[in-house]
Amino acid sequence: RKEVEQDPGPFNVPEGATVAFNCTYSNSASQSFFWYRQDCRKEPKLLMSVYSSGNEDGRFTAQLNRASQYISLLIRDSKLSDSATYLCVVSLPTNAGKSTFGDGTTLTVKP
Amino acid sequence: DTAVSQTPKYLVTQMGNDKSIKCEQNLGHDTMYWYKQDSKKFLKIMFSYNNKELIINETVPNRFSPKSPDKAHLNLHINSLELGDSAVYFCASSQEWHPNTEAFFGQGTRLTVV
Repeated sequence: RKEVEQDPGPFNVPEGATVAFNCTYSNSASQSFFWYRQDCRKEPKLLMSVYSSGNEDGRFTAQLNRASQYISLLIRDSKLSDSATYLCVVSLPTNAGKSTFGDGTTLTVKP
Repeated sequence: DTAVSQTPKYLVTQMGNDKSIKCEQNLGHDTMYWYKQDSKKFLKIMFSYNNKELIINETVPNRFSPKSPDKAHLNLHINSLELGDSAVYFCASSQEWHPNTEAFFGQGTRLTVV
């Protein structure tokens, strides 16, 4: 089983839709969780960290479910500019300096 | 000013050649990384340096040799290039060697081996 797994998609949604991605991780000792965004032919950039209590940043909500070992990203009111690949990142406390990236979920928002 | 800069942005070279990719960060970060992203877009860590010391060396052929002359620089030298080395190589840095720390990526170097 992969350390970090994501549904690759693609997810094709109309503008204004709500879309959610999940990411599962295999190691229960994982400590830190992030969502990164990567536009086509660009570098990954941090979208948001994922906190135990869940966190929200505008239209984006991230949640962590430790019992089931997954994190999620919810995007409300999708915009065309949300089209990108979303990468889930998981880190172990004992492996600082090595974050494991998921393979990414591709989102395309259409007019 | 670009926070993490890599050169060159594109590199096309023949099999068997030796090439280097340079990376510099002006963020004052302690930790730097090299990642490889292949044609299927999988992003895998190759090396991690903290304060110029090698911390992580994933299963990477020893044809790949990172060099960190100082905390702000982490270069990647590749010997005897093979077709399978074609990928995008990303340099990144983070403030400290800690799992909660955000990584900042360079623009990537698109390496094509022919």
